[in-house]
Amino acid sequence: QLQLRESGPGLVKPSETLSLTCTVSGGSISSTDHYWAWIRQSPGKGLEWIGTMYYIGVTYYNPSLNSRVTMSVDTSKNQVSLKLGSVTATDTAVYFCATGTHDNGDYLHFASWGQGILVTVSS
Amino acid sequence: DIVLTQSPDSLAVSLGARATINCKSSQTILYSTNNKNYLAWYQQKPGQPPKVLIYWASTRESGVPDRFSGGGSGRDFTLTISSLQAEDVAVYYCQQYYHTPWTFGQGTKVEI
Repeated sequence: QLQLRESGPGLVKPSETLSLTCTVSGGSISSTDHYWAWIRQSPGKGLEWIGTMYYIGVTYYNPSLNSRVTMSVDTSKNQVSLKLGSVTATDTAVYFCATGTHDNGDYLHFASWGQGILVTVSS
Repeated sequence: DIVLTQSPDSLAVSLGARATINCKSSQTILYSTNNKNYLAWYQQKPGQPPKVLIYWASTRESGVPDRFSGGGSGRDFTLTISSLQAEDVAVYYCQQYYHTPWTFGQGTKVEI
C-alpha cells in the first residue's frame, strides 16, 4: 500500500515560490505502474488538480497554472516535488499529494492521498 | 475544460434512508473504444483527504461498504447511499479522468 506524506513551509510570502515535497513509501517513485499528482483545496475553488508526473519526465499541468508550476522527482529520496511560482493570496490552500494507476496509457482515478499540508500566502 | 456540476449542494437525510447525489458533465466522459466512463466518486470527512469510493462510474473500491453504489453513463451520473449511516456524514465529490485538466465537481454535503 503506497503511503504519501507532504512536507514544506506552511507560510509563503506573496510573489515568492511555494515549494513542497511528497515522500512516497511502500513503492518506488520510478514505477511505471503509477503516476504522481498534486491537488489543492481552497474554500473558494474546491478541489483543483495542479499537475501529474508519470515515470520520469512525463508531466501534465493544469493550464490555469501552467506557467507557474514545475514538478520534479528525486529518485534517491523517493520524493516528488512541486514548485509554484509568483504566489498570491489565492494560492492559499491545502495541498495534497496523490497517486493512481497508470494503465496502458490511461491515468486512472486518484487512489491514494497524503494527509495534505496547509500553505498560507501572506506577508 | 470538462465542467462537472453536482446537485444538490447539500442534502439532509434521515438515518437509514437513501441519499442520491447527481453529477452532470459538460461533455461525455464515456470512451467508446473501451465502453468505460472515466468518473470517480470521493468521500471527504473534515480534516481528512478525499477517499475514493467508486471508479469507472460504478466499480466499488475495495473495502467500501456495499451501501455505496454508482451509476450512469455518458454525461449523467449518480452516487447512491442506500441506507445512510452516521459515519457517512461527509462531503462527496465526483471527478473525471477522461481529459486533462482533470476536474472535480463542487461537492455535495451530506448531513443527518
